Amino acid sequence: EPEVTQTPSHQVTQMGQEVILRCVPISNHLYFYWYRQILGQKVEFLVSFYNNEISEKSEIFDDQFSVERPDGSNFTLKIRSTKLEDSAMYFCASGQAVETQYFGPGTRLLVL
Amino acid sequence: AQSVSQHNHHVILSEAASLELGCNYSYGGTVNLFWYVQYPGQHLQLLLKYFSGDPLVKGIKGFEAEFIKSKFSFNLRKPSVQWSDTAEYFCAVISSNTGKLIFGQGTTLQVKP
Repeated sequence: EPEVTQTPSHQVTQMGQEVILRCVPISNHLYFYWYRQILGQKVEFLVSFYNNEISEKSEIFDDQFSVERPDGSNFTLKIRSTKLEDSAMYFCASGQAVETQYFGPGTRLLVL
Repeated sequence: AQSVSQHNHHVILSEAASLELGCNYSYGGTVNLFWYVQYPGQHLQLLLKYFSGDPLVKGIKGFEAEFIKSKFSFNLRKPSVQWSDTAEYFCAVISSNTGKLIFGQGTTLQVKP
């Protein structure tokens, strides 16, 4: 059964550094998402992406964040200058339709 | 603002006990409701979903949920839990036509063998 994959599984970075989190969605899916979960808190929506553009973004998704689908298979989340409060588990999800999303295993980001 | 509330943060049960996890949502439009499960060390998996029709929805692994519109609730149930049901359970609602999911805070279920 096809799955959403994410790399790396863990990333440790210094505050102010740029990080790129990578996701490979399921191949025939059209809708792509990033969510995050800060330890002990709810899973929060960051951004949705369809037809090569952002369809919705949350208040969290400020100018420090960007998403890209550079080659038709990968879907990346870039954080330009990480802050301590960006430490979280980041989940990618994809779906053929908006109603059903399949989640990846997550990338645990730790900002020191 | 749309929100999802799960009443129980941590539930401990013995095997064969019955389970009910509460979920209430606050959303004025047409609701699409979900329960996701996250087993230890694994990713979020869809347990079941409700879009329309029969308000009693059956999902995988013997779980079911009932949509009660008048109570804005979508509680998850299982008649007899197993040790392998130990996991974190998330209720969620789609809040826009872009597919944005709003999650509850999650309930950790621990089943003692």
